[in-house]
Amino acid sequence: AQSVTQLDSQVPVFEEAPVELRCNYSSSVSVYLFWYVQYPNQGLQLLLKYLSGSTLVESINGFEAEFNKSQTSFHLRKPSVHISDTAEYFCAVYFSGGYNKLIFGAGTRLAVHP
Amino acid sequence: DAGVTQSPTHLIKTRGQQVTLRCSPKSGHDTVSWYQQALGQGPQFIFQYYEEEERQRGNFPDRFSGHQFPNYSSELNVNALLLGDSALYLCASAMTGQGAGNTIYFGEGSWLTVV
Repeated sequence: AQSVTQLDSQVPVFEEAPVELRCNYSSSVSVYLFWYVQYPNQGLQLLLKYLSGSTLVESINGFEAEFNKSQTSFHLRKPSVHISDTAEYFCAVYFSGGYNKLIFGAGTRLAVHP
Repeated sequence: DAGVTQSPTHLIKTRGQQVTLRCSPKSGHDTVSWYQQALGQGPQFIFQYYEEEERQRGNFPDRFSGHQFPNYSSELNVNALLLGDSALYLCASAMTGQGAGNTIYFGEGSWLTVV
């Protein structure tokens, strides 16, 4: 069965500290991987995506994620977080042949404290 | 260029009533999907419309139905509302033909509260 697991429901961190949000998936077909961010009372915004090529992908606001096929993971990292990064982060997977259908993880609440 | 727009943004309904939510996809997009996001959970796929037909469906009862119009806009209808239908309903659009290479865009969502 195809599934997505975000291993941490909440991650508290101090400002300027590094952070890693973990995501694992289960699939027998090719996958494409996404991270979305949701700020309070807002919709989903695409943060970054992996489709092919380099396994390390970056966003414009300092986040990066690395696709690890052997470990079926797509962890999100940032070397130094800001208060404004406080939000819910969702890992999503598009399974090959899925007609633009995304399977989401349960989300990780990132809380950045001063 | 407007992105994905949804209406209404918030609404309150009573158990047993029916609700219709609306979505206009991003310009140039022909595929519309609907997701339900319950409080504290990730979005769950409800169904997808392409060429005015339901192309695939998630694990939701028949009380959930939809429609896509010739201009690619879409409606989500939920009949016989239950308290558990309270959620944020997200519409997503994409352009068919590019596989996962195209970006899926989400609207701001419609917050439904069933009392």
